[in-house]
Amino acid sequence: QSVLTQPPSASGTPGQRVTISCSGSSSNIGSNYVYWYQQLPGTAPKLLIYRNNQRPSGVPDRFSGSKSGTSASLAISGLRSEDEADYYCAAWDDSLSAVVFGGGTKLTVL
Amino acid sequence: EVQLVQSGAEVKKPGESLKISCKGSGYSFTSYWIGWVRQMPGKGLEWMGIIYPGDSDTRYSPSFQGQVTISADKSISTAYLQWSSLKASDTAMYYCARIKRIAARPDWFDPWGQGTLVTVSS
Repeated sequence: QSVLTQPPSASGTPGQRVTISCSGSSSNIGSNYVYWYQQLPGTAPKLLIYRNNQRPSGVPDRFSGSKSGTSASLAISGLRSEDEADYYCAAWDDSLSAVVFGGGTKLTVL
Repeated sequence: EVQLVQSGAEVKKPGESLKISCKGSGYSFTSYWIGWVRQMPGKGLEWMGIIYPGDSDTRYSPSFQGQVTISADKSISTAYLQWSSLKASDTAMYYCARIKRIAARPDWFDPWGQGTLVTVSS
């Protein structure tokens, strides 16, 4: 049971816009930054979004992050086949004094 | 280029000890945390703990406190994760990651090592 809640799966067709949600509480998302990581099949995770909505250099602007209250979202526009991956949200939790991850969302490009 | 290179896959028996490594290059090793993350087969990511090689300040997730030991040797830019007595349930992929510190808390994890697969089986 993950501290942050994500839908286990999401899907879309090429060119579509999809969003992945991440729900937490006041001790994590509600009071700290949210991060998103992309894990392509068989590879290590990669930083996708940091501090709620910032993109590292090299990450396409098709990826965007937002946060409101105790929830966050990752949006992917202009969906491409290479976006098929697992996506994880993460945040610091003040009560646990730990980094907590969501359970991950498997994105399928139909 | 900033890189973290982890040691190779391990196959161990229950009760054995193990120490895996993560060597950083291309940046100031003592200016960032190194963190460890577990991924059990077919499962999600779990944060295990972090170490600041600059002063060896180490913090553990409550779920892993007492189960593993995190250390670092700044002279060779290498962090370690070790077990004194492995269990079958320790079978997983283990990743290290460079972590920026912001307001005394972990910020982003980037980059990640390639992962070390640990298999514990009798």
